[in-house]
Amino acid sequence: EADIYQTPRYLVIGTGKKITLECSQTMGHDKMYWYQQDPGMELHLIHYSYGVNSTEKGDLSSESTVSRIRTEHFPLTLESARPSHTSQYLCASSARGELFFGEGSRLTVL
Amino acid sequence: AQSVTQPDIHITVSEGASLELRCNYSYGATPYLFWYVQSPGQGLQLLLKYFSGDTLVQGIKGFEAEFKRSQSSFNLRKPSVHWSDAAEYFCAVGDSWGKLQFGAGTQVVVTP
Repeated sequence: EADIYQTPRYLVIGTGKKITLECSQTMGHDKMYWYQQDPGMELHLIHYSYGVNSTEKGDLSSESTVSRIRTEHFPLTLESARPSHTSQYLCASSARGELFFGEGSRLTVL
Repeated sequence: AQSVTQPDIHITVSEGASLELRCNYSYGATPYLFWYVQSPGQGLQLLLKYFSGDTLVQGIKGFEAEFKRSQSSFNLRKPSVHWSDAAEYFCAVGDSWGKLQFGAGTQVVVTP
């Protein structure tokens, strides 16, 4: 059983605010990912990391940024949130090709 | 480029009836294939995976899937659905690096 945690689970904020979505895993996995999922839609990869100090943009362009200073921690930041950022953000880590997901952070920007 | 197609957006099935969810993929090499399930407001849980070997794979909750290379398909089946199987199901294809391409999902509704 994978242990991957996301906070906050739900966040409602106003336009222009800076937000950070936290993601932590306790399995020591080198590879971590952020996916964006709009309601009823597929998941799109927005960021990934293959280890400390390694970050790459995914297939879907995103105004968010990520950092990987520690193996277990992979936060996602939006410097100035906009209504178009309203979505669910899912963090995952992987081992041997299999992804383990957190429960997601649902962001609403008013 | 890799892609995944789930032709059925929505399926309604009676409790106790069988269920089959279709998945077709496009991938340049031997794919890693997955089925995930997502309940409302939750993350994704892995049902089963195929990396190599036996083309019929068994997963959790009584699900199974069959890899058919000639048809580029990886359909998910369950002989008898339970009300708790109502959820969204995602097929995904990827490689050992963990970068997965997901399908659009199939919403399963279970009626009494």
